[in-house]
Amino acid sequence: EIVLTQSPGTLSLSPGDRATLSCRASQSLSNNYLTWYQQKPGQAPRLLIYGASSRASGIPDRFSGSGSGTDFTLTISRLEAEDFAVYYCQHYGGSRLTFGGGTRVEIK
Amino acid sequence: DVQLLESGGGLVQPGGSLRLSCLASGFTFSSSVMGWVRQAPGKEPEWVSIISADGRDAYYADSVKGRFTFSRDNSKDTLYLQMNSLRAEDTAVYYCAKEKSGSGWSFDSWGQGILVTVSS
Repeated sequence: EIVLTQSPGTLSLSPGDRATLSCRASQSLSNNYLTWYQQKPGQAPRLLIYGASSRASGIPDRFSGSGSGTDFTLTISRLEAEDFAVYYCQHYGGSRLTFGGGTRVEIK
Repeated sequence: DVQLLESGGGLVQPGGSLRLSCLASGFTFSSSVMGWVRQAPGKEPEWVSIISADGRDAYYADSVKGRFTFSRDNSKDTLYLQMNSLRAEDTAVYYCAKEKSGSGWSFDSWGQGILVTVSS
């Protein structure tokens, strides 16, 4: 079973800063089915990135995904007030889905 | 607009059963792969189950396999999650979600979630 480890656990940044979030898989993801979600308190997760680097519909271009193999990154180029939230990565493989433990992006 | 509306949650005793429903609208339900994801308070989301568009194939997380059954009625645009032998660790908000076609089980639309509490 593939385990996804997200780091850091918490990222303290200011609006306008660049945020770099990491998701590391315990085994190489041969299919690149790596997804990123954003979640705010009391809300369902929101799809940001699928297939490691494809932006979902309506997602601003300040969000970008990259990576392959075991190392994946979500980058928010310039943080805006509404971006402070928790971010999760997710992988599909072997007829199962796995979520990472999340990275909280908080206002410094 | 895509809408997913869960119902059927509540408080149930350990060992009990509950059936969740999810009514879908705003998209071609019968062509969509659908899933359930749950989230315990303060924890990351946990995938529960996923079902093919025609309902013939369903897959389950190991934590619920043999206890939960995922089905759908495409004539009613409705999903069902039958949950038996419930345990305290099944306590969570349960979300139904729609897969973005061809995205490798990425969910692009989610319901508002419904709380299931398993406690005596």
